[in-house]
Amino acid sequence: ETGVTQTPRHLVMGMTNKKSLKCEQHLGHNAMYWYKQSAKKPLELMFVYNFKEQTENNSVPSRFSPECPNSSHLFLHLHTLQPEDSALYLCASSQAGVVETQYFGPGTRLLVL
Amino acid sequence: AQSVTQLDSQVPVFEEAPVELRCNYSSSVSVYLFWYVQYPNQGLQLLLKYLSGSTLVKGINGFEAEFNKSQTSFHLRKPSVHISDTAEYFCAVSEGGSNYKLTFGKGTLLTVNP
Repeated sequence: ETGVTQTPRHLVMGMTNKKSLKCEQHLGHNAMYWYKQSAKKPLELMFVYNFKEQTENNSVPSRFSPECPNSSHLFLHLHTLQPEDSALYLCASSQAGVVETQYFGPGTRLLVL
Repeated sequence: AQSVTQLDSQVPVFEEAPVELRCNYSSSVSVYLFWYVQYPNQGLQLLLKYLSGSTLVKGINGFEAEFNKSQTSFHLRKPSVHISDTAEYFCAVSEGGSNYKLTFGKGTLLTVNP
C-alpha cells in the first residue's frame, strides 16, 4: 500500500468520449503531480499542484484538464483524446519543500481507440 | 537543462549474480539524484536518493549507488540479486532549488533468471 490510490486502473475510451482519472493520497502531503508514462520514453511530468494551486503545466495539450479540489484529491479530465495519448498515467504526491520524496500511485492504463 | 541517460535498456542476469545499472546525467548546477523501481502493474517506488554528504548511498532491498561528480554518474549496484528484483529501474535527477521537477531516464529492465 503506497498511500496513493488511482481509479480506474484501466480505461478504454473513444476519441469523442469524456472521462476523468482520479487520484487520492492518504499521506498528508500538500503537493500532487500527474505524469505520463509511454513505452520506450522517459516519464513526462504533466502538471504539479502545491497547496491546491497549479504551479506547473509542462506544455500539456488542452484536451487534458487537471483539477485539484483539495490537497488529498487530484483529477485529470480527458476529452477528445488521440490514440497517441494511450499510456500509463501516474499520480504522485509529496510534501512541498526541497527535494521531498515523491510517492507514486499504481497508475491508470489508458487506451484511446 | 538537465538530462538523464540510462545506458542499458535491458540487463539480464542470473540469480545471486552481482548487477550494476548505469546512469549518467548532465546538468549545469548541483543536482539531487534518485533511483526508483517499478514492479509489473505498479507505480514507482523510491529505492534510494543522494542529496549531499557521503557519495555512497544505501537503499532498500540491498541496493546501493555511488555518486561520482567528475564522471556525472550515479550507478546502481547490488552484490547478489534475487528473482524478486526483476523490475524496471529508473534513474532521476532534480536540479538544486527545483524540488519537484524530476527528470527521468528511459529506464532499465532488469530480468533475473533462475
